[in-house]
Amino acid sequence: EIVLTQSPATLSLSPGERATLSCRASQSVGTYLAWYQQRPGQAPRLLIYDASFRVTGIPARFSGSGSGTDFTLTISGLEPEDFAVYYCQRPGTFGGGTKVEIK
Amino acid sequence: QVQLVQSGAEVKKPGASVQVSCKASGYIFTNYYMHWVRQAPGQGLEWMGTINPRGGSTNYAQKFQGRLKMTRDTSTSTVYMELSSLRSQDTAVYYCARDRLLEAVVTATNRPPGLGLDVWGKGTTVTVSS
Repeated sequence: EIVLTQSPATLSLSPGERATLSCRASQSVGTYLAWYQQRPGQAPRLLIYDASFRVTGIPARFSGSGSGTDFTLTISGLEPEDFAVYYCQRPGTFGGGTKVEIK
Repeated sequence: QVQLVQSGAEVKKPGASVQVSCKASGYIFTNYYMHWVRQAPGQGLEWMGTINPRGGSTNYAQKFQGRLKMTRDTSTSTVYMELSSLRSQDTAVYYCARDRLLEAVVTATNRPPGLGLDVWGKGTTVTVSS
């Protein structure tokens, strides 16, 4: 079973700063990786699929990169609504999540 | 618009079963796999399994084998998730979520379902308590 490990668990940043979130797979998943945002009390929202493709309607400040075992979600210039929990996912598995909180 | 409407909150006793429904609208029901994902209080997301609404085939996470059942009713565009032998650790919000890819694309390209879940229900809270 492939395990996805996200780091850090919590990221404390100020609005306008750049956020860099990591997701590491226990074995290669190619580019079969997606990223989600979950705000409190809401269902998750798909941001990125196939590692680097942004879903229609997702702001351009969100970008994904990586392949194989190492992936990154970057938020270039945090907006107030971006403070949330982010999950990476491949078929059958989610990472443990990274909480982006206001510093 | 595309939406998934889930049934209401449930309270169950340990050992009982629960069935949660998810009614799809705004798209052709049989064209997309449906997944179930749960989230225990304060915890992360956990994939439970998937169903192909076209033929009804299912794939469950090993953790739930033997007590999870997913079915669908194409006449009402509804999928059902039934979890049996409930224990307190099953207390969670249960979500249905649609696969991003057309079922035909998954089949034709031999890609696995679950490469992005693009439409989610609002969730159904299931509480297991004696």
